[in-house]
Amino acid sequence: DQQVKQNSPSLSVQEGRISILNCDYTNSMFDYFLWYKKYPAEGPTFLISISSIKDKNEDGRFTVFLNKSAKHLSLHIVPSQPGDSAVYFCAASVGSSNTGKLIFGQGTTLQVKP
Amino acid sequence: EPEVTQTPSHQVTQMGQEVILRCVPISNHLYFYWYRQILGQKVEFLVSFYNNEISEKSEIFDDQFSVERPDGSNFTLKIRSTKLEDSAMYFCASSEPQTRTDEQYFGPGTRLTVT
Repeated sequence: DQQVKQNSPSLSVQEGRISILNCDYTNSMFDYFLWYKKYPAEGPTFLISISSIKDKNEDGRFTVFLNKSAKHLSLHIVPSQPGDSAVYFCAASVGSSNTGKLIFGQGTTLQVKP
Repeated sequence: EPEVTQTPSHQVTQMGQEVILRCVPISNHLYFYWYRQILGQKVEFLVSFYNNEISEKSEIFDDQFSVERPDGSNFTLKIRSTKLEDSAMYFCASSEPQTRTDEQYFGPGTRLTVT
């Protein structure tokens, strides 16, 4: 079951630069997409989300872009800070099901170097 | 800030034993979930629970698994007869009715080790 894929297991960027994390999905029924951040020994923390009726959502340093035709979304972090170093998970859901089931990608480990 | 709590943080059990993993969701939340993450793999959905009923369950959530909200604050996951492959990190999550149920708040997890 590879409905949500994050093809880059890791990413390393310099502090102050942009981090771009990518996610692809295959299920056209997905209508809501979320990014979660996870530190070791903690649970995933909700970061930002986007509905399929939008193509961009911004919250401070975090922006999520959605390209429905390509079934692709990306998370931009600008500027990146060392505290952003964590595992980032893309997740998707079918809102009409109303059960809240999230399908997660494999995660991308982001390292921001000072 | 309110948070989801889980106990214990680490549970070691022998194959065939029953385990109960406990969660206290955020107090005004009405939707509850269990997920698991086997080491090195994805976070996987197990079950969602609302209004004292299972809303959806995955193929993983077979007859060995059950969930319960025994009182107004706890939400539990029981594994009746544990197998080696049940070893994983189990995350509880909850969400409030005023937002989309997808925006879930996760607990820190319980690491289950089956020997």
